[in-house]
Amino acid sequence: NAGVTQTPKFRILKIGQSMTLQCTQDMNHNYMYWYRQDPGMGLKLIYYSVGAGITDKGEVPNGYNVSRSTTEDFPLRLELAAPSQTSVYFCASSNGAYNEQFFGPGTRLTVL
Amino acid sequence: GENVEQHPSTLSVQEGDSAVIKCTYSDSASNYFPWYKQELGKRPQLIIDIRSNVGEKKDQRIAVTLNKTAKHFSLHITETQPEDSAVYFCAANSGGYQKVTFGIGTKLQVIP
Repeated sequence: NAGVTQTPKFRILKIGQSMTLQCTQDMNHNYMYWYRQDPGMGLKLIYYSVGAGITDKGEVPNGYNVSRSTTEDFPLRLELAAPSQTSVYFCASSNGAYNEQFFGPGTRLTVL
Repeated sequence: GENVEQHPSTLSVQEGDSAVIKCTYSDSASNYFPWYKQELGKRPQLIIDIRSNVGEKKDQRIAVTLNKTAKHFSLHITETQPEDSAVYFCAANSGGYQKVTFGIGTKLQVIP
């Protein structure tokens, strides 16, 4: 099993550009999450999903969108990138709310 | 929503000494408390978790205690080793238990 995979690993965007961060898991987990991690800060939840077709906002959803058309994939869309979105983005999945979250390797995004 | 506070933000200990990290939470309905370890440049990984029906849980050199009345829980690492150096995050479930809220993290340095 590959676990949770994310692409790309690194990306530099210009202000106003858009991009999609890809996340795929092969563990048949229903729950999936997107976090951002800023230096010296904890993990802030952006969006999460408890199953295909179901998504909900986390703590910091502004400037992002998600979709969940399959169990395996949970892409995160950034529209009109801003410098405040410079961060490391982690995708995670779990087999339920009381179970371990498995994290992907992260995407380091810089917006200039 | 849930608020998780974690302290200290940094902790330095001599190899072989014990380390203690403390967290408090605000939602009295929270009943799942995981701890994650993140090594430099790596993804967070679960090291131990506890549910509210127990007060303490141990796994080799790591233990977690929970005081539901006071709404705080702690991570104890005994006989620390250099490979314990990392950032440790506490978390508590929230929002209908479909997600967790993370603390800000504690950077632990074990000095050989």
